[in-house]
Amino acid sequence: GQQVMQIPQYQHVQEGEDFTTYCNSSTTLSNIQWYKQRPGGHPVFLIQLVKSGEVKKQKRLTFQFGEAKKNSSLHITATQTTDVGTYFCAGPVRGSTLGRLYFGRGTQLTVWP
Amino acid sequence: EPEVTQTPSHQVTQMGQEVILRCVPISNHLYFYWYRQILGQKVEFLVSFYNNEISEKSEIFDDQFSVERPDGSNFTLKIRSTKLEDSAMYFCASSVSIDEQFFGPGTRLTVL
Repeated sequence: GQQVMQIPQYQHVQEGEDFTTYCNSSTTLSNIQWYKQRPGGHPVFLIQLVKSGEVKKQKRLTFQFGEAKKNSSLHITATQTTDVGTYFCAGPVRGSTLGRLYFGRGTQLTVWP
Repeated sequence: EPEVTQTPSHQVTQMGQEVILRCVPISNHLYFYWYRQILGQKVEFLVSFYNNEISEKSEIFDDQFSVERPDGSNFTLKIRSTKLEDSAMYFCASSVSIDEQFFGPGTRLTVL
């Protein structure tokens, strides 16, 4: 069945260092969405990428969607303590019109001050 | 800013009991979802609901589970006879289209 894998599972960085998480799907996705979940919180939508090869930036965050629409990455430049949380990628399979999201396991980011 | 709300925030129940988890999606949204997250694990899809019927359900969503939208604002998830392995955080989500989904704060279900 459809699987979405994410690495690394955990990442500990010093404040100011960069951080990257990678997402890989077993099948082509219709789009890729990224969510952030703070400790004890709920997933909060960050961004959606739709086009093959698309790159989007939100301040210090850069999101990429692979050419084959099966992989994606999130890169944070110069992390801050407010970046702490678990970052999930998720996507519907290509052609889906029903909205079901397949989530990766998430990368839990810890930032040391 | 509109948000998805869920009640209760924490539900403790005995194995075999029925529970109903309640959600109020964002008012102009058309798609509704239930997900669950076992502690420390990924978010898992349970069911999606559109146009007053289930549009998709996962293999987790067996006949012990049901969903309802009884009155045009609430969206409920019922578990008929809870098992220990149903203990998890249950998130309701809603969306205008099948894109960005807005998640509620979750209900932590503990089955003893």
